[in-house]
Amino acid sequence: AQKITQTQPGMFVQEKEAVTLDCTYDTSDQSYGLFWYKQPSSGEMIFLIYQGSYDEQNATEGRYSLNFQKARKSANLVISASQLGDSAMYFCAMRELWMDSSYKLIFGSGTRLLVRP
Amino acid sequence: ETGVTQTPRHLVMGMTNKKSLKCEQHLGHNAMYWYKQSAKKPLELMFVYSLEERVENNSVPSRFSPECPNSSHLFLHLHTLQPEDSALYLCASSQGGLARSFDTQYFGPGTRLTVL
Repeated sequence: AQKITQTQPGMFVQEKEAVTLDCTYDTSDQSYGLFWYKQPSSGEMIFLIYQGSYDEQNATEGRYSLNFQKARKSANLVISASQLGDSAMYFCAMRELWMDSSYKLIFGSGTRLLVRP
Repeated sequence: ETGVTQTPRHLVMGMTNKKSLKCEQHLGHNAMYWYKQSAKKPLELMFVYSLEERVENNSVPSRFSPECPNSSHLFLHLHTLQPEDSALYLCASSQGGLARSFDTQYFGPGTRLTVL
């Protein structure tokens, strides 16, 4: 079963407007972490924001905020005041126990965001 | 140099060639990772090294051979690859790795590999 689901393969947003990228996850762990990464056309995966399962406050980093709804198992990324440079692929990821002793990131299929001038 | 660097950025090789991808991290981290990103597929973790100890991943074909001589350097040796191995190979590093704790991974720019 898919652990991380990103249902929006592509999205458009007008420059200076806010946009929400959806992410739902599936886990039976009580302690887990959720991440968002940005991947421009150059290929590099850029870490944006992290939310721990026990964090009571939604994470924020500059123009990025994470709308964490634990009961719904969703961790949506909100980008405020979109800029042309925000055009990229965005991946949601979850930290999962792997090989009994380490953690790995499980990535979703990504959402391609295009910011229109 | 800062962050995580990867060389080469692009590589074209034949199926009988032997080549190596290099990754170097300048963050003082203890764990390093290799990921494969194929078209239209989520990122797949291939290997993890923590304090130069490798965590095995039996699903990775033996034609991919990792090497971690120290905590700052990671190699991926390639031999007799197949066209379906063409992908973006991303290296990442993190502070911990095998520790059971939160750990952000920082990625390099990737090597885009094409196997003819």
